[in-house]
Amino acid sequence: SAVISQKPSRDICQRGTSLTIQCQVDSQVTMMFWYRQQPGQSLTLIATANQGSEATYESGFVIDKFPISRPNLTFSTLTVSNMSPEDSSIYLCSGTGQRSTEAFFGQGTRLTVV
Amino acid sequence: SQQGEEDPQALSIQEGENATMNCSYKTSINNLQWYRQNSGRGLVHLILIRSNEREKHSGRLRVTLDTSKKSSSLLITASRAADTASYFCATARGTPLVFGKGTRLSVIA
Repeated sequence: SAVISQKPSRDICQRGTSLTIQCQVDSQVTMMFWYRQQPGQSLTLIATANQGSEATYESGFVIDKFPISRPNLTFSTLTVSNMSPEDSSIYLCSGTGQRSTEAFFGQGTRLTVV
Repeated sequence: SQQGEEDPQALSIQEGENATMNCSYKTSINNLQWYRQNSGRGLVHLILIRSNEREKHSGRLRVTLDTSKKSSSLLITASRAADTASYFCATARGTPLVFGKGTRLSVIA
């Protein structure tokens, strides 16, 4: 199994600013993903973080708004840019290993935009 | 969409009772997984059942899979207050996982 450390755990941000969320994995994972979860809702995939190349974004999410980096196999960042109150949500990073599709999750970042 | 749909959306039971949650999905899958989430935190993997399996056990958890009906169920036996959480099914056909809407379980002591 893998342990994913995600930070910050929560933040309150002013609209128009940006927040970068970091995820560090204690072992190599093949795939890393970023999800958004509205309160009481399911997880919505934002993008797949690709090592050393541009992330693959899902419909409705764009790089200018959610730039993602993954410089190596164990680290990734998600930036929420030019935030508005509609961006208030929980953001989760996730990773899967080489031999299984079982996913490991960070503890989530609870973002409130005021 | 491959997204699973859990049923019921919310479930409230007394400690010691069994809790059953159901998941339906739309497309063929390689495996189906169940996760637990406490209070909006990270999800924790509970159990994985492959498409060629019909039933799987892990401690107090029992999962069934019916690929002909595209449905799965999660049974938690002898529930405890600590089982209070949201439970999500996730279907896998390659990556990434696609999560259902979840069932909020409340176990009352």
